[in-house]
Amino acid sequence: GQSLEQPSEVTAVEGAIVQINCTYQTSGFYGLSWYQQHDGGAPTFLSYNALDGLEETGRFSSFLSRSDSYGYLLLQELQMKDSASYFCACPSGTYKYIFGTGTRLKVLA
Amino acid sequence: GAVVSQHPSWVICKSGTSVKIECRSLDFQATTMFWYRQFPKQSLMLMATSNEGSKATYEQGVEKDKFLINHASLTLSTLTVTSAHPEDSSFYICSASRVRGETQYFGPGTRLLVL
Repeated sequence: GQSLEQPSEVTAVEGAIVQINCTYQTSGFYGLSWYQQHDGGAPTFLSYNALDGLEETGRFSSFLSRSDSYGYLLLQELQMKDSASYFCACPSGTYKYIFGTGTRLKVLA
Repeated sequence: GAVVSQHPSWVICKSGTSVKIECRSLDFQATTMFWYRQFPKQSLMLMATSNEGSKATYEQGVEKDKFLINHASLTLSTLTVTSAHPEDSSFYICSASRVRGETQYFGPGTRLLVL
């Protein structure tokens, strides 16, 4: 089957750097996306990696290694507002998305 | 660009009634939209893929007769929860992408509470 595994929870302090990992098993791979979801809200798109390497968007960066079936989201200069759930997601062969198990990030003052 | 809206954002209904949720892509055309369901503190579970002009593709375990999906145009998909029961209470989210297989943009979600 297809699955994307993430740590369930990560805690860090304001100003720190945190890495959220995602390991995947999919039949056919078309890239890895990351989404942020605040409690009660809908997911918002953060980044997409189609190729190996690091993509940087402001304080957030995302990395992909296709050979390792692994990616991560890196959040720098953490702020309280970054407290949310983060999901990795893969588009599958039929264009639908499979979402990871999700990681709840708690940022402490 | 890439704005997706949902209506209503909140709905409370009695058990046995039907509820319709609309999903619209406001500034782009979406040949494919997706419907998800999310329980508290859990991940998003894909329910079905809504295809404009054809039947929806349902995920395993999702009752197509209970969750009716209609993709009436390139900017509108509707999900109707028929004969809703308390266990159908959940957060329903739609998404759409400009190009198949690429970034999905999510609507704000609809919280359904069935009493």
